[in-house]
Amino acid sequence: DAKTTQPPSMDCAEGRAANLPCNHSTISGNEYVYWYRQIHSQGPQYIIHGLKNNETNEMASLIITEDRKSSTLILPHATLRDTAVYYCIVSGLSYNTDKLIFGTGTRLQVFP
Amino acid sequence: ETGVTQSPTHLIKTRGQQVTLRCSSQSGHNTVSWYQQALGQGPQFIFQYYREEENGRGNFPPRFSGLQFPNYSSELNVNALELDDSALYLCASSLSRQVSNYGYTFGSGTRLTVV
Repeated sequence: DAKTTQPPSMDCAEGRAANLPCNHSTISGNEYVYWYRQIHSQGPQYIIHGLKNNETNEMASLIITEDRKSSTLILPHATLRDTAVYYCIVSGLSYNTDKLIFGTGTRLQVFP
Repeated sequence: ETGVTQSPTHLIKTRGQQVTLRCSSQSGHNTVSWYQQALGQGPQFIFQYYREEENGRGNFPPRFSGLQFPNYSSELNVNALELDDSALYLCASSLSRQVSNYGYTFGSGTRLTVV
């Protein structure tokens, strides 16, 4: 089962920041938080991941709370092309297999 | 660099038949994972291959099997197809088994319909 909880849907106006929350209260010390998104009819696309520090890349920022029990993905200036299902995933360091356990994600609708 | 390519893009099979889906990994990636995504659901992990050996398996029956070849391309085989096998099948490759070091690169998937 997925170890994360996300709202099923969110709306955001184009040009505004989209803040997508994720709860992962049972996260353990060696587990990372990953964000992927899936645009309709495509495979999931990696966005960003982090362990405990905040992270930023060209796509987004990831804010992880100090207790690591929740995080927020921030798309600073949402565009219509950011409309997608966003998955927050917790996955740990494993010598053998790091598999991604997807939940049902948050469907983000960006409107003009 | 090329991405992950999957073939075919769409497929219709009859219940009871067998199917083979193919995946060409991103250049340099030695690990490939397969996922099944039913309509309206998130992808579910089927199994992972690393250097031609199965390296972890999800909660799928043995009629789901796979292969990874020396060039790191991969196949997913499903025997005795059932109606519930209708789904989008996704292949994902990575530079390492430890996805915490590198993200996965997913293909666009094969849409399998079982009738």
